[in-house]
Amino acid sequence: GENVEQHPSTLSVQEGDSAVIKCTYSDSASNYFPWYKQELGKGPQLIIDIRSNVGEKKDQRIAVTLNKTAKHFSLHITETQPEDSAVYFCAASKLGSGGGADGLTFGKGTHLIIQP
Amino acid sequence: DAGITQSPRHKVTETGTPVTLRCHQTENHRYMYWYRQDPGHGLRLIHYSYGVKDTDKGEVSDGYSVSRSKTEDFLLTLESATSSQTSVYFCAISTTENTEAFFGQGTRLTVV
Repeated sequence: GENVEQHPSTLSVQEGDSAVIKCTYSDSASNYFPWYKQELGKGPQLIIDIRSNVGEKKDQRIAVTLNKTAKHFSLHITETQPEDSAVYFCAASKLGSGGGADGLTFGKGTHLIIQP
Repeated sequence: DAGITQSPRHKVTETGTPVTLRCHQTENHRYMYWYRQDPGHGLRLIHYSYGVKDTDKGEVSDGYSVSRSKTEDFLLTLESATSSQTSVYFCAISTTENTEAFFGQGTRLTVV
């Protein structure tokens, strides 16, 4: 099955600086890569996703890059703000795999701390 | 937030007792999932459903069963709760398989 590794487990950055979280996946058939933000006591919330037919996607201060050859993808947050403090999860799945859905395989999460 | 309600939000139960967690959606999404979240493990898929009465096992399905008799409800049952099933359980829904899953607020289950 799929295996997703996520690094670092904790990341502390100064407010206004950029943050980068990296993930690798093992199954070359995976073709959908979402990122989730989880605040304390809440469920994960989808913040951005990318499909394997594109290499980069941006949404305001957030961007995701994908390198299919190396099987890794990254989340980039620019101009970080205190409200960016949370746990971030990457995930991978196979679209159009047929035979029913089988969910997302998640990384173990990165605790992002924004220092004022 | 997507219309997903999990109940109960918190539960303490004794070892060996059966427990049922409920996930209710108002979005009419076809796909529903149950995940558990544990420190150091992230989120792991327990069971999923791709339609009424259509379910299948995920990565960590041992000791759990599910049922989906209506589009809007997906039940997770711990047949005989064990301390290793102490966890936070999340329900998720999606319109298409394996994409854009929206999560509920979670149920914190403690087995003593």
